[in-house]
Amino acid sequence: DAGVIQSPRHEVTEMGQEVTLRCKPISGHDYLFWYRQTMMRGLELLIYFNNNVPIDDSGMPEDRFSAKMPNASFSTLKIQPSEPRDSAVYFCASSPKGLVGNTIYFGEGSWLTVV
Amino acid sequence: AQSVTQLDSHVSVSEGTPVLLRCNYSSSYSPSLFWYVQHPNKGLQLLLKYTSAATLVKGINGFEAEFKKSETSFHLTKPSAHMSDAAEYFCVVSDMRTGRRALTFGSGTRLQVQP
Repeated sequence: DAGVIQSPRHEVTEMGQEVTLRCKPISGHDYLFWYRQTMMRGLELLIYFNNNVPIDDSGMPEDRFSAKMPNASFSTLKIQPSEPRDSAVYFCASSPKGLVGNTIYFGEGSWLTVV
Repeated sequence: AQSVTQLDSHVSVSEGTPVLLRCNYSSSYSPSLFWYVQHPNKGLQLLLKYTSAATLVKGINGFEAEFKKSETSFHLTKPSAHMSDAAEYFCVVSDMRTGRRALTFGSGTRLQVQP
């Protein structure tokens, strides 16, 4: 089975440009997560969805960040306008339905550099 | 609130010697606990998980962890380190009763394996 698929794997963009990161979760998984990883702050949860509905977006850093999940097989994380401090690895992850102890499966990450 | 503390940011061992990566957690209820591994420039992969069944959990690649409620610990061990074990390891807690579906990550322990 295919895992969580993210694109692009690497992106270098100029400050002020719009960045869109894409994610295809594992088929049949009801939960989708966006995480950000930096040296300074480690892994942070940005937002997660259940059945395409955003449940908790308290980790989204500011209004420049937005995330959507138009259907069960696709999600985007958008940064507009981008800033150098947004440089990080962004991970998408998915998890099947259920409660305690369900494993979260991670994609390989999107490595973003804003110059 | 739930939290997890990884007691060592870096651990260095010689190939063939035992590995111990320490983790303490804090949770209001009975948690689920995980260890994830991240190899350089890769996504995160599940090593093992504890979900209130057996307190000694065996994972992939010869790793295991023991849940000790009295010590609020979930240390990761391996009898004999291999060069391919060099990576970053994350201890993770999930407390479903809070209603927050996502995981809380520790700050990570970087494992170096010397030849």
